[in-house]
Amino acid sequence: EDKVVQSPLSLVVHEGDTVTLNCSYEVTNFRSLLWYKQEKKAPTFLFMLTSSGIEKKSGRLSSILDKKELFSILNITATQTGDSAIYLCAVEASGAGGTSYGKLTFGQGTILTVHP
Amino acid sequence: GAGVSQSPRYKVAKRGQDVALRCDPISGHVSLFWYQQALGQGPEFLTYFQNEAQLDKSGLPSDRFFAERPEGSVSTLKIQRTQQEDSAVYLCASSYRDTNQPQHFGDGTRLSIL
Repeated sequence: EDKVVQSPLSLVVHEGDTVTLNCSYEVTNFRSLLWYKQEKKAPTFLFMLTSSGIEKKSGRLSSILDKKELFSILNITATQTGDSAIYLCAVEASGAGGTSYGKLTFGQGTILTVHP
Repeated sequence: GAGVSQSPRYKVAKRGQDVALRCDPISGHVSLFWYQQALGQGPEFLTYFQNEAQLDKSGLPSDRFFAERPEGSVSTLKIQRTQQEDSAVYLCASSYRDTNQPQHFGDGTRLSIL
């Protein structure tokens, strides 16, 4: 059974701090790993990672995947109160014969709270 | 529309009633997914459609759950004889095709069973 574990489960920081969120996984036939940000509504897409060692970056957010050690990290620098949210990690795996249709297995999420 | 639209946003039902939740995906998106998110947990996969075909329903928790997408666009998730454990947020997501494309989520329907 595919499994995704995130840590820490919750994190409280002050504005300007840098945070690192962790995601480890056990998946048969890994295809990709995705990060989402969830505030009170829909999870919004942040990154999709398929290749090991290549950092993806968007503004103050960045993420990298290590396929050998089966984990990913999401970094947020110079945090702002607007970064307060639940950060979800999800993994997509291939089905039989290498087919895949995008079914995601999610971790429990990390609740990030940024105080002014 | 610009994003995935779900309705209603909130639904309260008494135990034993049937409910229907609607999802209107992004126009042109072939793939449509339903997830269930319990409080404090990540979303869990329920079922997947490629156009009108339901290719995977392995995540549906019981035969009280039924989903359809008859014309390959709007989808409905129906729960019959609701139970308290069905209380959760039901998320719908769509993507342009089946893989290598991120899923875009709707705001969800928060279902409360009394």
